[in-house]
Amino acid sequence: AQSVTQLGSHVSVSEGALVLLRCNYSSSVPPYLFWYVQYPNQGLQLLLKYTSAATLVKGINGFEAEFKKSETSFHLTKPSAHMSDAAEYFCAVSVYGGSQGNLIFGKGTKLSVKP
Amino acid sequence: DSGVTQTPKHLITATGQRVTLRCSPRSGDLSVYWYQQSLDQGLQFLIQYYNGEERAKGNILERFSAQQFPDLHSELNLSSLELGDSALYFCASSVAGGSPYEQYFGPGTRLTVT
Repeated sequence: AQSVTQLGSHVSVSEGALVLLRCNYSSSVPPYLFWYVQYPNQGLQLLLKYTSAATLVKGINGFEAEFKKSETSFHLTKPSAHMSDAAEYFCAVSVYGGSQGNLIFGKGTKLSVKP
Repeated sequence: DSGVTQTPKHLITATGQRVTLRCSPRSGDLSVYWYQQSLDQGLQFLIQYYNGEERAKGNILERFSAQQFPDLHSELNLSSLELGDSALYFCASSVAGGSPYEQYFGPGTRLTVT
């Protein structure tokens, strides 16, 4: 069975500082991994996805994530935080096989950005 | 705007009642997924439809059911509602039903059961 663990339910950074949101996955098959962002009172927006092409994946809004098989990790980073990055971030793994593909989400990490 | 629409945006109802949530997928998407987001359970997959057929089931209660119509819109029916059913219900769509296809989420329906 696949699962996702996000370390840290709440991360606080200063504006301009590095953002690092941690995600570890468990999967018996090569995973497809995603990061989504949820702004208050909104739906989820896809930031980036890993589908076994490049291990370093670049997404929207300056975010990127690196797939590390040896560490079973897919951490999300951004070199310089902006106030507008304050939101909740979800890491997800896609169920493998056939025409399924539903997502299994982590518990989420709420990012606060201090001025 | 993801292109996925959900109605209504908010729903307040009493215990024991039945409600229907509606979702229209992005144009061209054949697969629809329903998710429930609550404070204690987080984001949980409920059910998936692909081109009118049920394809996968997650933690969906027997009191809940869904269907996808020929025009590809989907409805999630929740009956005998309990306080614990209060949550945000998201619909997502993807072009096909397989794993690598990204899902686009609607804005959600916030259900409050009193």
